[in-house]
Amino acid sequence: EVQLVESGGGLVQPGGSLRLSCAVSGFTFSDHYMDWVRQAPGKGLEWVGRSRNKPHSYSTEYGTSVRGRFTISRDVSKNFLYLQMNSLKTEDTAVYYCVRGKNGFDVWGQGTMVTVSS
Amino acid sequence: DIQMTQSPSSVSLSVGDTVTITCRASQDVRESLTWFQQEPGKVPRSLIYDASSLQSGVPSRFSGSGSGTYFTLTISGLQPEDFATYYCQHYDSHPFTFGGGTKVEIK
Repeated sequence: EVQLVESGGGLVQPGGSLRLSCAVSGFTFSDHYMDWVRQAPGKGLEWVGRSRNKPHSYSTEYGTSVRGRFTISRDVSKNFLYLQMNSLKTEDTAVYYCVRGKNGFDVWGQGTMVTVSS
Repeated sequence: DIQMTQSPSSVSLSVGDTVTITCRASQDVRESLTWFQQEPGKVPRSLIYDASSLQSGVPSRFSGSGSGTYFTLTISGLQPEDFATYYCQHYDSHPFTFGGGTKVEIK
């Protein structure tokens, strides 16, 4: 069974950092593009960024509001996807989802909540 | 960034009705368009990809069409579990962007 399980969310002060993790199972991690998507409380969905697959050297792309502050990486040996978030702002408060980028965005994790507040 | 505009923003319907949701892109996104369903408090669920391909396990009452800048999602014969919010998203070029959502409510 394909599973994505996020962790690492919590409360952080503005300007702080946090690293989210996504444990991947049930498919060959290196073959697939992986994305992060977020949803602020009561709001719509926002694409955060993408990690391409091994043939594309796991290269990354980012959304406009997070570029330069967030970094996506992988540990293929452990089947983990990461989202390193620096210089956090109150507007980064959201549920963060790990998503497999196959056939659009076919499988989603359950999400992890990040709250940026003083 | 490409802007995705959905309409209507909300609609009230009855079980058995048919609904069509539209999604317009500010630039050509070819057929790189996907639709999601999100029930309150739940994780988004992928319904359609590549504008018209049904995701595995999704009922055939859901259908998508369109290309370029105009897309539609049609639900034929609404079921109680279909009352939810629907989002479109393009994935033609970075950054990918979502529509603002369409809430389908029970009348």
